Amino acid sequence: EVQLVESGGGLVQPGGSLRLSCAASGFTFSTYAMNWVRQAPGKGLEWVSFISDGAGTTYYADSVKGRFTISRDNSKSTLYLQMNSLRAEDTAVYYCAKTVRSGSIYYNYFDFWGQGTLVTVSS
Amino acid sequence: DIQMTQSPSTLSASVGDRVTITCRASQSIGSWLAWYQQKPGKAPKVLIYKASDLESGVPSRFSGSGSGTDFTLTISSLQPDDFATYYCQQYNSYPLTFGGGTKVEIK
Repeated sequence: EVQLVESGGGLVQPGGSLRLSCAASGFTFSTYAMNWVRQAPGKGLEWVSFISDGAGTTYYADSVKGRFTISRDNSKSTLYLQMNSLRAEDTAVYYCAKTVRSGSIYYNYFDFWGQGTLVTVSS
Repeated sequence: DIQMTQSPSTLSASVGDRVTITCRASQSIGSWLAWYQQKPGKAPKVLIYKASDLESGVPSRFSGSGSGTDFTLTISSLQPDDFATYYCQQYNSYPLTFGGGTKVEIK
């Protein structure tokens, strides 16, 4: 059974930093691209970042570019999101989400999601 | 960036109704569109991918259609478990983008 378990959320002051983790199990983590998607309270879904299976390719939403860094440790089956210079508008539930793969081709929709971890940026 | 516009934003319907939700892309995305269902406090769940392919385990009352810029999610006979918020997502290009959501409420 595929499981994605996020952790690391919490309350942080504006300008502060936080690192989120997503522990994966039930699939061969090292062969799948992964993403972070967030959802502000009462709002819709916003894609945040993508990382390829080997970590050689990353993409970011403009809203977080230069402040957030996605990474992964395939030996630990864990995905990370380092968030720096946090702003009030970064307040959201952050989900890690698994990308679909068929052979060598990624299809960048999400077939499994974690339960989410809440990040609150407030003084 | 490709903008995804969903309509309506809220929909009131009764059990047994046929429900249609529309998603429009600001430029052509081929068939690279997915639909998700989200219930309060839960992660989204994929229903449809590649515009019209039903995800394994999803009831056949859900169907998707469209290509290019105009897409539709249809629930043929609304069930109590279907009251939720629905999102479309394009995966033609980065940044990946979602529609604003359609909340399906009990009439």
